[in-house]
Order: sequence, then structure tokens, then C-alpha cells
Amino acid sequence: DAKTTQPPSMDCAEGRAANLPCNHSTISGNEYVYWYRQIHSQGPQYIIHGLKNNETNEMASLIITEDRKSSTLILPHATLRDTAVYYCIVSGQMDYKLSFGAGTTVTVRA
Amino acid sequence: GAGVSQSPRYKVAKRGQDVALRCDPISGHVSLFWYQQALGQGPEFLTYFQNEAQLDKSGLPSDRFFAERPEGSVSTLKIQRTQQEDSAVYLCASSLWSSGNTIYFGEGSWLTVV
Repeated sequence: DAKTTQPPSMDCAEGRAANLPCNHSTISGNEYVYWYRQIHSQGPQYIIHGLKNNETNEMASLIITEDRKSSTLILPHATLRDTAVYYCIVSGQMDYKLSFGAGTTVTVRA
Repeated sequence: GAGVSQSPRYKVAKRGQDVALRCDPISGHVSLFWYQQALGQGPEFLTYFQNEAQLDKSGLPSDRFFAERPEGSVSTLKIQRTQQEDSAVYLCASSLWSSGNTIYFGEGSWLTVV
């Protein structure tokens, strides 16, 4: 699996957009970018995934650069409940293991 | 319930004791996974089942760890002769299909070995 690099932590203001970067410069052509988050004392929660097109769902937007070497998860209006560890994971469609890494600890402040 | 259910939620075991952790996946989900998460770290893969078949157990740390899913639904992770380094959160997850990575996790079983 390709490795990802994320900042260890970031703060954002409640009500503002939170932009979480992820570098995955060794990503292969058939590998997807997945985002999960883990709120304290809970299991990881799927957020969104994409291959090369930008994706949006009710939770977030995923912007993948044209060369696919990096991506950004956007939480459009962060709330205090979005405080969590966010994991960017690169994985092939036929893979079943997830390699979580250390993730980014996001703290949303009032 | 609609999600992945794990029990017990919290377990304190004396060193050397055997423990069994149960996972009830989402009904109809083909794939079931166990992950181990040490304090302050991301989850680490332990093992994978497709229905009742254990297709990958490469992440199990030692032969003291054993997992089963005999009827292709409920799974049990058993740890024999627990050691302090086994203290972690054990996460179970399931997915509908055998590949692809939209996986649904339970809240975990928090094991503390004293």
C-alpha cells in the first residue's frame, strides 16, 4: 500500500471550514483515497473516498489533485462534534486491509 | 441494532488469564475484521474473515491470539495467557462485500491486563 503523510494536529474554529491535507505521492493508478475519522472512545467512522474525481457527500468533500499525489478533506462547517482523529488511507479496490497511520488530530474550538 | 456490536465493552484481566471478545457484525455482511489499537496509535490489522473462512491472520501478534467465525456471522477473538502488552482496544469491523474498503467499525472492547 502507498503511504500517506498527514500533519499530526490542527485546530479550527467552529462554523468555519476545516481543510485537512494528505500527501500520497506514491499512490498507484488503481488505488483509492479513503478518509476515516475516530472520535474519542469510539471506533473509526467512514467519511468519504475517491479515485481521481472530487467527491462530496453529506459529511465532507474530497478534493484530489490532478496528479493524485495529494488530497484535501474539507469539512464545510466544522462543529465541536467534529473533534476527532482523521485518517487518510490509500488502498486498492481489491484490498481489504486498512493501514491507518497516526492521522491528524483535529480540534474544533468554539 | 443496526451497527457492529462488541462485548464486553471493557475488560480487566489478570496477567495469565484467558479472555474472549465477541463481535456481532452488521447482518448480511460478508467480511469481518479484527483490529488492535494501542493507546495513542492508529488501529492495526489483526485478521480477516470472509463468511466463516479466515483468509488472513497475518496480523495476529502471537499464537496466544485466536479468532473464529464458525457460522459466518458472530466472531470471537480469544487471547490466551494474557500479557500486559495485550492491553489495547480491540476493534471489530464488517463490510458488505469481500473487497473495497467502506468498513463499519464497532466501538471496541477495551482490554486492560493487570
